[in-house]
Amino acid sequence: EPEVTQTPSHQVTQMGQEVILRCVPISNHLYFYWYRQILGQKVEFLVSFYNNEISEKSEIFDDQFSVERPDGSNFTLKIRSTKLEDSAMYFCASSVGGSGANVLTFGAGSRLTVL
Amino acid sequence: AQSVAQPEDQVNVAEGNPLTVKCTYSVSGNPYLFWYVQYPNRGLQFLLKYITGDNLVKGSYGFEAEFNKSQTSFHLKKPSALVSDSALYFCAVRDDGFQKLVFGTGTRLLVSP
Repeated sequence: EPEVTQTPSHQVTQMGQEVILRCVPISNHLYFYWYRQILGQKVEFLVSFYNNEISEKSEIFDDQFSVERPDGSNFTLKIRSTKLEDSAMYFCASSVGGSGANVLTFGAGSRLTVL
Repeated sequence: AQSVAQPEDQVNVAEGNPLTVKCTYSVSGNPYLFWYVQYPNRGLQFLLKYITGDNLVKGSYGFEAEFNKSQTSFHLKKPSALVSDSALYFCAVRDDGFQKLVFGTGTRLLVSP
C-alpha cells in the first residue's frame, strides 16, 4: 500500500536554528499538507499546497514557516528560526484531490524538539 | 468556520462489549466527516468517511459511524471491542469548498481484557 514517508523521525534543535522537515507524498497525489500536534493536544492544520503554491494556510503558519516542493517527489516544511513552542509532532499528508470527500493519507510524523 | 467536538477524553470498555466514541460537528455548508485512529508513535490512519447517502457508514477493522444531521453528530461505533482497538481516535470535518481538515481533540479508547 502506498504511503507518505517523513524524515527525520526525530530532530532536536536549539532555539533560533533553522529546521527543514521532509516528506515524500504518494506519487499520484496532487495536494500536500502539513499538520502539527503539540504533545497531548489536537492535530492542527498548518498549510495546504497545490500546483506549486500555497492554497490554504492557518494563522499558525506565519512568516517563520515556508513550504516548498524542490523536485518532483519531496515536499518540505522549513521553520526559519525555531521557538520553544514549535516543539511538536509534524505530520505531512497528501491527497488526490483537495476538497470534499478526498481522504488525506498521513505520514508517521517528525518529532521536533526545540531546546 | 468548521469545528469538531469530542466530549470524552477517554472511553473505557471491556473486550467484547460494544463501544461508542462521540463526535459532534459544526460547518456552514455540507459536511464531509472522517474518523482517523492514531496508535502510539504512529501517524493518523484513516478509518471511514461520510460523504452523502446512507447515514450508517462502514469502515476498516469492523468500525462504523452513524451520521445524524439533526443532532450534527457522527459517533464512531463497533459492536464488539478488541484489546487491539486501544488507541487515540480523532473525528475530523471538512466544509465543502475548503481544503482544510479540522480535527477534534481526540478520544483515547482503552479496551480492557
